[in-house]
Amino acid sequence: DAGVTQSPTHLIKTRGQQVTLRCSPKSGHDTVSWYQQALGQGPQFIFQYYEEEERQRGNFPDRFSGHQFPNYSSELNVNALLLGDSALYLCASSFYEVSYEQYFGPGTRLTVT
Amino acid sequence: GNSVTQMEGPVTLSEEAFLTINCTYTATGYPSLFWYVQYPGEGLQLLLKATKADDKGSNKGFEATYRKETTSFHLEKGSVQVSDSAVYFCALSGQGGSEKLVFGKGTKLTVNP
Repeated sequence: DAGVTQSPTHLIKTRGQQVTLRCSPKSGHDTVSWYQQALGQGPQFIFQYYEEEERQRGNFPDRFSGHQFPNYSSELNVNALLLGDSALYLCASSFYEVSYEQYFGPGTRLTVT
Repeated sequence: GNSVTQMEGPVTLSEEAFLTINCTYTATGYPSLFWYVQYPGEGLQLLLKATKADDKGSNKGFEATYRKETTSFHLEKGSVQVSDSAVYFCALSGQGGSEKLVFGKGTKLTVNP
């Protein structure tokens, strides 16, 4: 049973560029949440997708957007990258009715130079 | 809003020592509480959870008890091993199914042989 997978593993971008990160949920899960983890900090909630709609959003600007596909996989897009966007981006999947029990992927390390 | 406060690290112990990592929370209602572990270069793994007051979560020798009267969920292990070296995150999720996780800042544990 495959767990949560994310791609790419690492990414280096320049300020002002745009980036897309991808996530495939654990088999059977229908909900995907995205978190940003800055170095030395705990993960911060970005948003959650269920039934291809954004259901909840944390305190992140509109530069952060997402999408969920019919197969439940998800993308996180960040526009106009800032140096402060450098972080580990974690995807977590769950069942919507029990979405407090989340399973995390290994993350994508984004470096903005 | 909901928040989690954990003891500052880093924590350095010798093998077979007793471990306590303090965690307190602020939340409305009856949140679910979690401990996650993050090994170097990896994503987060759920270590244990408790979903109501007085519940004790346990896994791999780690334990934590949901204390509503003191709003605490301290992590303990009687005898740590070198392989327990990691960063530990306390987290909570609000009531209801589709809730985000709110994390503490993490506590880095190093266990020396």
